[in-house]
Amino acid sequence: DTAVSQTPKYLVTQMGNDKSIKCEQNLGHDTMYWYKQDSKKFLKIMFSYNNKELIINETVPNRFSPKSPDKAHLNLHINSLELGDSAVYFCASSQPGQAPGNTIYFGEGSWLTVV
Amino acid sequence: RKEVEQDPGPFNVPEGATVAFNCTYSNSASQSFFWYRQDCRKEPKLLMSVYSSGNEDGRFTAQLNRASQYISLLIRDSKLSDSATYLCVVFRMDSSYKLIFGSGTRLLVRP
Repeated sequence: DTAVSQTPKYLVTQMGNDKSIKCEQNLGHDTMYWYKQDSKKFLKIMFSYNNKELIINETVPNRFSPKSPDKAHLNLHINSLELGDSAVYFCASSQPGQAPGNTIYFGEGSWLTVV
Repeated sequence: RKEVEQDPGPFNVPEGATVAFNCTYSNSASQSFFWYRQDCRKEPKLLMSVYSSGNEDGRFTAQLNRASQYISLLIRDSKLSDSATYLCVVFRMDSSYKLIFGSGTRLLVRP
């Protein structure tokens, strides 16, 4: 019974294509995130939604568009894929304010390879 | 300069060894600190929080030095299963509400 689930786990696609990654959490959390982990293993936040409202939007190309139909789902759509988009994309959720700190739960990751 | 910096390693140690990782952070407004563990091709998972007074969880000891802005993780009696990447994570609540991850320190424990 996975707490944060994302699909697909692996995705190989050609440059220029448009693709989506879906994420769902069953933890009842209000906040969801998308993180990108590149080849250098640096995990960097892209977006965060709190109860369907965008609260963090880092410097990310506008080819990336998150969508949150409800607080349990946060999908990531990527237009016109480029080689540099190849990375692992992690969805995550948390409940801000719960001690200690901001404990975050990650999905298993989506391995995107653009060829 | 990255906001959270770690030595990427790898640290290659024999079973039973004691190994220490350090992490420095640049934003003095940082409020909470954590160590996460990430296994190869897996998602990061919380290992332990780091408290100002220092805290221990079994073979793992975490310490925080706010004056010098660094965090440490000590692993005693290393096991093969400790092989992973250890991520230093900092939380700050200013205009945003987010965790900042270091790029991780890789640990390899050999038999």
